[in-house]
Amino acid sequence: GAVVSQHPSRVICKSGTSVKIECRSLDFQATTMFWYRQFPKQSLMLMATSNEGSKATYEQGVEKDKFLINHASLTLSTLTVTSAHPEDSSFYICSAMGTSGGASTDTQYFGPGTRLTVL
Amino acid sequence: AQTVTQSQPEMSVQEAETVTLSCTYDTSESDYYLFWYKQPPSRQMILVIRQEAYKQQNATENRFSVNFQKAAKSFSLKISDSQLGDAAMYFCAYRGGGADGLTFGKGTHLIIQP
Repeated sequence: GAVVSQHPSRVICKSGTSVKIECRSLDFQATTMFWYRQFPKQSLMLMATSNEGSKATYEQGVEKDKFLINHASLTLSTLTVTSAHPEDSSFYICSAMGTSGGASTDTQYFGPGTRLTVL
Repeated sequence: AQTVTQSQPEMSVQEAETVTLSCTYDTSESDYYLFWYKQPPSRQMILVIRQEAYKQQNATENRFSVNFQKAAKSFSLKISDSQLGDAAMYFCAYRGGGADGLTFGKGTHLIIQP
């Protein structure tokens, strides 16, 4: 139980375009979802926290107009990178916390990640 | 702000031996959670073990156990009978008492020598 999926797993786009990444909890209801960013050979950095039906809370230094987060249902959150530039190239990982299915209340379950390359 | 420190960028251990990965953290909260996650080359984050700060007993999961020293703010991971499949990056992570995001350490690259 407690499976989180992400789509796409890999995306290549041109500079200036927008890219949407989906994060889904498959067998539990995710009351809270998180988005992280991981640069090569580095650790994960929290970008934002989203609760279903509410506006996301962004970490200091993360541009909310550039990284749009929507958490419209208890199983889906999306991250849209707007007007992407090469410096946005990174590995984006979502995680989810929930209270149903196979999920343990206090544990974050991670998606497999999305590798974004901006040319 | 909370910080998590992993002072060992890389560790190497012989197969079947035991290895301990170090982690220290800094917080002013009394209610929090600590985790060890494993990230293999696939980059999928896999939960290894978790510890609630209010529990005095150290968590164990099969070959994995922790040494949680709350006063010293230390949270080390012991892997017994190391297996080739244990090779990965290991991240120590902290979460506050609410539905907060995780603060990760920089990670330790674990190499298993056959």
